[in-house]
Amino acid sequence: QAQLVQSGAEVKQPGASVKVSCTASGYNFMSNGIHWVRQAPGQRLEWMGWINSASGKTQYSQKLQGSVTITRDTSADTAYLEVRGLRSEDTAVYYCARSSSSYMFEAFDVWGQGTMVTVSS
Amino acid sequence: EIVLTQSPGTLSLSPGERATLSCRASQSVSSSYLAWYQHKPGQAPRLIMFGASTRATAIPDRFSGSGSGTDFTLTISRLEPEDFAVYYCQQFGSSPLTFGGGTKVEIQ
Repeated sequence: QAQLVQSGAEVKQPGASVKVSCTASGYNFMSNGIHWVRQAPGQRLEWMGWINSASGKTQYSQKLQGSVTITRDTSADTAYLEVRGLRSEDTAVYYCARSSSSYMFEAFDVWGQGTMVTVSS
Repeated sequence: EIVLTQSPGTLSLSPGERATLSCRASQSVSSSYLAWYQHKPGQAPRLIMFGASTRATAIPDRFSGSGSGTDFTLTISRLEPEDFAVYYCQQFGSSPLTFGGGTKVEIQ
């Protein structure tokens, strides 16, 4: 069945960057987009952005534009989220989630297990 | 940005009871673009409902969704032990996609 597996937990210093991976299996990677969502402690889920896995087209939350980049490697069926200029407020669990089609405006029907990113000096 | 407000924040119920969860939007959301997710600690969120009232794959029929415009409801007709979790509504019709703050359904 369709599955998304994310890379492991990260601890970063303020100002650093982090890159989280999300590897798909059990379906045609190019047929569905990938979203990135994060949840800081005690906060609601926050949508960060989306990538069309086939074309590479992206769309980002305006709030995060400029500090976040989403890419994909179709040869590895993997999507990536890079966050730059990390601050303590970026401490969160980061999830990738599959869009139920290639379009952005769809429900998220498969989720990764989450990656804890801790920003601390 | 569409703000989603969920109520109540916590619902304390016993297995077998009915749970009614509310999601109110700051502006109208097409019902086609409203989803509900179940989230248990240490697990990935799970899609429960999309299009406001369509159950996702393998979701039992004790879960039902309704609503339109700015008011949506998720109902669990008879709570099973595995249903105790946090539930989030989401609108995915306009950017930024947004989630509600969640309703925790806990065992009384």
